[in-house]
Amino acid sequence: DAKTTQPNSMESNEEEPVHLPCNHSTISGTDYIHWYRQLPSQGPEYVIHGLTSNVNNRMASLAIAEDRKSSTLILHRATLRDAAVYYCTLSTTGNQFYFGTGTSLTVIP
Amino acid sequence: AAGVIQSPRHLIKEKRETATLKCYPIPRHDTVYWYQQGPGQDPQFLISFYEKMQSDKGSIPDRFSAQQFSDYHSELNMSSLELGDSALYFCASSLMEKISGNTIYFGEGSWLTVV
Repeated sequence: DAKTTQPNSMESNEEEPVHLPCNHSTISGTDYIHWYRQLPSQGPEYVIHGLTSNVNNRMASLAIAEDRKSSTLILHRATLRDAAVYYCTLSTTGNQFYFGTGTSLTVIP
Repeated sequence: AAGVIQSPRHLIKEKRETATLKCYPIPRHDTVYWYQQGPGQDPQFLISFYEKMQSDKGSIPDRFSAQQFSDYHSELNMSSLELGDSALYFCASSLMEKISGNTIYFGEGSWLTVV
């Protein structure tokens, strides 16, 4: 299974931008980069995904390195509701979504 | 919009008993995934189905089995339950889109407690 590496935890002040990094050095050319987040006792929630180009949606932005070996999820203004565990995962051809150890984001009021 | 429906939401079983969890995917989704998440753990992929056929297998114990039916709903059958099977079980569904990449949508999970 494709591997991703993320910091165990990060902190951010409320209303400040947050950059959550993810390394995926073994990514293959057809792997999509996906980000999910999970609140306690809830199912993971889709945030964003991309292949090569940077992506934006109403929740976040995804910046993908030119060599695709790393990516960064950007929350433009962190709110208390953004406190969650954020998972970076790769979707390979077929139906493989493996979650590694995500980043627990704490938002400080 | 309709989401992934899981039932039951909570289940208590004794050791060595059998449990069945059900998952109803988002309408028109053709792929179902099962995950197990123990307390304080990350979701662990168990198994997935595409068009009623098993498509990928993760860390699913031999005591567990699953299938996807003609109406695309899926069931996870767990036998000879052990205390360590106590966990939150998530089902997710997606529509296979190899060009744009699959996005999977999770249900709210089924809590299984083995006593």
